[in-house]
Amino acid sequence: NAGVTQTPKFRILKIGQSMTLQCTQDMNHNYMYWYRQDPGMGLKLIYYSVGAGITDKGEVPNGYNVSRSTTEDFPLRLELAAPSQTSVYFCASSAQTGTHFGPGTRLTVT
Amino acid sequence: QKEVEQDPGPLSVPEGAIVSLNCTYSNSAFQYFMWYRQYSRKGPELLMYTYSSGNKEDGRFTAQVDKSSKYISLFIRDSQPSDSATYLCAMSAPGTNFGNEKLTFGTGTRLTIIP
Repeated sequence: NAGVTQTPKFRILKIGQSMTLQCTQDMNHNYMYWYRQDPGMGLKLIYYSVGAGITDKGEVPNGYNVSRSTTEDFPLRLELAAPSQTSVYFCASSAQTGTHFGPGTRLTVT
Repeated sequence: QKEVEQDPGPLSVPEGAIVSLNCTYSNSAFQYFMWYRQYSRKGPELLMYTYSSGNKEDGRFTAQVDKSSKYISLFIRDSQPSDSATYLCAMSAPGTNFGNEKLTFGTGTRLTIIP
C-alpha cells in the first residue's frame, strides 16, 4: 500500500492564480481530510469528507473548495490564491487504525 | 485561549535520557488523545492514542492522560537520536470516534536528542 499520496510536493503561485492539490489514498478509507500547517500554529482542519459525494467545512475553509467523487480521491482547490494561503498542506485519511497523513504539499503564494 | 496548549520548545536532551512532553487542553468534551511524530519536511505519523485517563505503554513510549486536570503527557525512555523530531499532541473533536476524528492539534514540541 502506498498509503496517502499527494501531488505536487512543492508549488509557487502568483497572487490570484488557481490550482488543485491532489490527494489519493489506497486504503479504502471513507474519511478523508485536508489540514494546513503554519509555523508555530499546529495543524488546522480545512475540509473533510465522510465518504464519496459528502464533504463539509472544517475550521479554516475560506478560499478553498473540495470535491469527493470517488473513495480514493479528495482534491483541494484554491481559487484566487492569496499570500495568507502560503502553508504546508496535508491530506489525511482515517479508519480504525487512526488518521494517516500524506507527505504534504509546500505552497508559496507571492 | 487556545483549546490545546503545547510548549513549542525547542527541547534538547542527551541520548538515553527520559523525555517528557506535555499538553493541556480546555475542552472537557475531547474524547481521544493522540501523539504524532513529525520528522522534518514529512507528514505526521501516529505514535499512540488513548481514550481514558491513565497510562498506555508501547515499547519506549508511554502516553498518560489526566482528564480531571485536562493534561496529557508522552514519555520517551532511553531516548535515541532517531527520536529527534517534532511531537504533536492531538485531540478528537466532541462527537467523533477514533477512526472518524476531526483533530485539534497542539503547536508541536521540537525535540533534539544529542548523541
